[in-house]
Amino acid sequence: QQPVQSPQAVILREGEDAVINCSSSKALYSVHWYRQKHGEAPVFLMILLKGGEQKGHDKISASFNEKKQQSSLYLTASQLSYSGTYFCGTDGSSGSARQLTFGSGTQLTVLP
Amino acid sequence: DAGVIQSPRHEVTEMGQEVTLRCKPISGHDYLFWYRQTMMRGLELLIYFNNNVPIDDSGMPEDRFSAKMPNASFSTLKIQPSEPRDSAVYFCASTQGRGHMNTEAFFGQGTRLTVV
Repeated sequence: QQPVQSPQAVILREGEDAVINCSSSKALYSVHWYRQKHGEAPVFLMILLKGGEQKGHDKISASFNEKKQQSSLYLTASQLSYSGTYFCGTDGSSGSARQLTFGSGTQLTVLP
Repeated sequence: DAGVIQSPRHEVTEMGQEVTLRCKPISGHDYLFWYRQTMMRGLELLIYFNNNVPIDDSGMPEDRFSAKMPNASFSTLKIQPSEPRDSAVYFCASTQGRGHMNTEAFFGQGTRLTVV
């Protein structure tokens, strides 16, 4: 079952912050975040495993609340290079996960 | 490594024709995934292989679609006969280790297929 991402689109000015949410109706083992620029392949950002850990990648971080079956991606002091579509991929298996179900994506535009 | 390599990058074909998409995964990666991306349905997993063996093909839409992985460095996705609704970007991705569970997936640049 496809996770639900919100918002569908967001427009920011350079330096502003943004939060992208990903929620699932089923128990999750892990959440994966990818960014895709127009006409390019998705690029890996980070994986969060169950346990509620928060990870960071430069000024991009994420949290995973397994009880709520939700993950949030935080973009701090956004840069022009952050523009793109962000996808969360959820894995509902435990121990033998091998595939992801991706959300429909959140289109992020950072303006100068 | 040059990353995951897909060919062709663009393919335009007429309805009813056979289409073959190709993928070379990153050397040493033992999982290979085929995805299809459309505006309507997003990024969908079609099939994945582990050590050249198809594990789950439940995402393959119809019998017109078939995929093979004859060796660790090559996979094909074939559509025969093709239909206009097959138009999409097809991505191949590979990972090392236990599939997607806790490893990064590397995507190829995709093949944009247009069926007219």
